[in-house]
Amino acid sequence: AQSVTQLGSHVSVSEGALVLLRCNYSSSVPPYLFWYVQYPNQGLQLLLKYTSAATLVKGINGFEAEFKKSETSFHLTKPSAHMSDAAEYFCAVSGRNAGGTSYGKLTFGQGTILTVHP
Amino acid sequence: DTAVSQTPKYLVTQMGNDKSIKCEQNLGHDTMYWYKQDSKKFLKIMFSYNNKELIINETVPNRFSPKSPDKAHLNLHINSLELGDSAVYFCASSQGLERDTQYFGPGTRLTVL
Repeated sequence: AQSVTQLGSHVSVSEGALVLLRCNYSSSVPPYLFWYVQYPNQGLQLLLKYTSAATLVKGINGFEAEFKKSETSFHLTKPSAHMSDAAEYFCAVSGRNAGGTSYGKLTFGQGTILTVHP
Repeated sequence: DTAVSQTPKYLVTQMGNDKSIKCEQNLGHDTMYWYKQDSKKFLKIMFSYNNKELIINETVPNRFSPKSPDKAHLNLHINSLELGDSAVYFCASSQGLERDTQYFGPGTRLTVL
């Protein structure tokens, strides 16, 4: 079974500062990992995903994440925060069984609320 | 052109009632999902259909019954609504099961009084 832990339910940064949102996963098979963003009263939008190609993944809005197998981490970063980045961010792992067969289930972390101060 | 749409956006109802939430996707995807987001924003999958076949049925009370009339639609019917059913329900779709992006609808906020 897969699981995801997001460290820090709230992160606050100043506009222009580095954004770092932490995600650690647990998976018995090589994982597929995703970061989604949710703006208030909206659905989830994909920021980026790791599917066993390059370990450094670039996404939309200047975000990127690095898959580190040794640390079982997939932290999300952005060099310079913008006010429009304020939202809730979810890390997720795609469900696969021991044989590697996927069944499409996304297991989400608890979410991290990002606040950006002027 | 909304990719994944849900109706209604808000649903307020009394305990014991039966209600349905509809979901439609115009992306040509073959897989659709229902997720529940509780008051603490925790997201958990409920059901998944692939080519109209149920492939994921998490430990959801049997008061919840998904129905997929075709690949573009996945509706959620809830019988005998309880207070604990109050949540935001999200529909999503993807092409395939594994590494493919799931596209989410805007959500339906269900409030049970």
